[in-house]
Amino acid sequence: EAEVAQSPRYKITEKSQAVAFWCDPISGHATLYWYRQILGQGPELLVQFQDESVVDDSQLPKDRFSAERLKGVDSTLKIQPAELGDSAMYLCASSLGLAGITDTQYFGPGTRLTVL
Amino acid sequence: GNSVTQMEGPVTLSEEAFLTINCTYTATGYPSLFWYVQYPGEGLQLLLKATKADDKGSNKGFEATYRKETTSFHLEKGSVQVSDSAVYFCALSEGQAGTALIFGKGTTLSVSS
Repeated sequence: EAEVAQSPRYKITEKSQAVAFWCDPISGHATLYWYRQILGQGPELLVQFQDESVVDDSQLPKDRFSAERLKGVDSTLKIQPAELGDSAMYLCASSLGLAGITDTQYFGPGTRLTVL
Repeated sequence: GNSVTQMEGPVTLSEEAFLTINCTYTATGYPSLFWYVQYPGEGLQLLLKATKADDKGSNKGFEATYRKETTSFHLEKGSVQVSDSAVYFCALSEGQAGTALIFGKGTTLSVSS
């Protein structure tokens, strides 16, 4: 069964350092999402791509976060500089993104970030 | 704006007990509704979904009915197992392709034998 891949699974960094997360969606999925899940909370959208284009980045802290999906396949989320409050689980999800159908999102295992 | 409210946890049950986790939503349109489950150390897995009013989603003995009149999507299971211990998230999307999910805060279920 196809799965969304993410790496690394765990990342520990010091504040003010740069970190990067990688996501490989299910093959053929046009829509890719990055969510942030703070401990004890539900995931919240950071950024959404349709193919290589950003559809929604309204909740992305653009002064320190950036995301790209250059060829419309895999994606990278970067934080520079990291702050203590960025400690969270970063989840990637993908979906077919076809108009006219109910879209089901499939999630990767996540990257747990700890900022010291 | 759109939002999802879940009952506070944790929910602690004995094996074979009946489970209900309440979920209500606020939406401007006609959303699709989902239940996701997160086992310890893992990502989210889709448990079930319903796309229109009165639809019933079901999977692995869990079920939930989309109630438009009460804006609810309560999760139920007749007989829980220890392996059902996890965090359960109710979520909605506006139903169109490529719409991000809005999640509730999650409800932790702990089942003991």
